[in-house]
Amino acid sequence: QSALTQPASVSGSPGQSITISCTGTSSDVGGYNYVSWYQQHPGKAPKVMIYDVSNRPSGVSNRFSGSKSGNTASLTISGLQAEDEADYYCSSYTSSSTLFGGGTKVTVL
Amino acid sequence: EVQLVESGGGLVQPGGSLRLSCAASGFTVSSNYMNWVRQAPGKGLEWVSVIYSGGSTYYADSVKGRFTISRDNSKNTLYLQMNSLRAEDTAVYYCARGRDGYNMYYWGQGTLVAVSS
Repeated sequence: QSALTQPASVSGSPGQSITISCTGTSSDVGGYNYVSWYQQHPGKAPKVMIYDVSNRPSGVSNRFSGSKSGNTASLTISGLQAEDEADYYCSSYTSSSTLFGGGTKVTVL
Repeated sequence: EVQLVESGGGLVQPGGSLRLSCAASGFTVSSNYMNWVRQAPGKGLEWVSVIYSGGSTYYADSVKGRFTISRDNSKNTLYLQMNSLRAEDTAVYYCARGRDGYNMYYWGQGTLVAVSS
């Protein structure tokens, strides 16, 4: 199966909001409410920021939010901060696997 | 507290074998949705394999027939047996557990596998 499609990079100034898209098909993103978003800093393990489309784990800032429309999921980071600079990956459950997006590098200008 | 600790990585020659372990604490491996995910140097995340609580297993096409996921209930540990290793299997391997569904909520710190002659 093909990977989910994410933009390679997104940037924004401190305080701004940015949105990262994650496009799949009706067999993955569109077919299940099991889309997750992960933040990864260099040399570190991924950290879940959003799970099951829009749920935020305890301890994750409410500046992070997730949504889905059809075959496209989105992660929005509001009030961008320097510490948000990292790689972000989306994933979607399918009936027999998990698909990841190619990753989006977020740069805080 | 949920903890996942991977081990078993290292340098192996092409065609060789390696078994990765993921020791779990704070929960029961056999009752959870457990995955292996890898990340090649400078690349993105790639799903490798899953074992459901009921025992069903699935693999990415890139490792099917070469890798085997399993668990030892007495040791509360997840394994990944990797055979016929190739250079393209070089990566950091993570184990990950779901929470209340088919997600990857908890992650280990990863173990590095390098396949080279």
